Amino acid sequence: AQSVAQPEDQVNVAEGNPLTVKCTYSVSGNPYLFWYVQYPNRGLQFLLKYITGDNLVKGSYGFEAEFNKSQTSFHLKKPSALVSDSALYFCAVREGSSASKIIFGSGTRLSIRP
Amino acid sequence: DVKVTQSSRYLVKRTGEKVFLECVQDMDHENMFWYRQDPGLGLRLIYFSYDVKMKEKGDIPEGYSVSREKKERFSLILESASTNQTSMYLCASSPLPTYEQYFGPGTRLTVT
Repeated sequence: AQSVAQPEDQVNVAEGNPLTVKCTYSVSGNPYLFWYVQYPNRGLQFLLKYITGDNLVKGSYGFEAEFNKSQTSFHLKKPSALVSDSALYFCAVREGSSASKIIFGSGTRLSIRP
Repeated sequence: DVKVTQSSRYLVKRTGEKVFLECVQDMDHENMFWYRQDPGLGLRLIYFSYDVKMKEKGDIPEGYSVSREKKERFSLILESASTNQTSMYLCASSPLPTYEQYFGPGTRLTVT
């Protein structure tokens, strides 16, 4: 069965520093991988996805993610954090061979201090 | 821009009531989803639909049903609301074949 894990409940970073939010997955076929962000009192917003092609994918708000097949990881990164990046981040996976079911991780709260 | 709307932002219902949550999307997406979001548990899939009148159970369908009579509308029904169904409910739609999801603002349901 497909699954996704976000090992850190919270990540704290100083403004201007690089940030990484970790995600690992388990699927039996080729994965479709996604990152979403949720700002306070808002619905989730799509950030970026990996389906095929380059392992480094770029998304909204300066975020990028690196697909690593051997480590089954899809970590979210940003070179220089902003206070406005503080939010709840979710990783999600869809198994390529299955129907449209998508599984979400438990979320990581990112806090950027000025 | 894709727009997904949900009928209510906040809802308070009594135990045993029948509750309807409505979701409408305006981008002609094939897939629609209902999730509940609880602290520490992330998003859990209740039901999804990949076509009109088609539905599949997600991970936690017990106590819920759904209806999709038109492509743009996906309804979640709590047949007899219980206090453990107090949660944030999120609707989403996604296109084929890329599957990224677009979410509504959510409905915070409180069952007393």
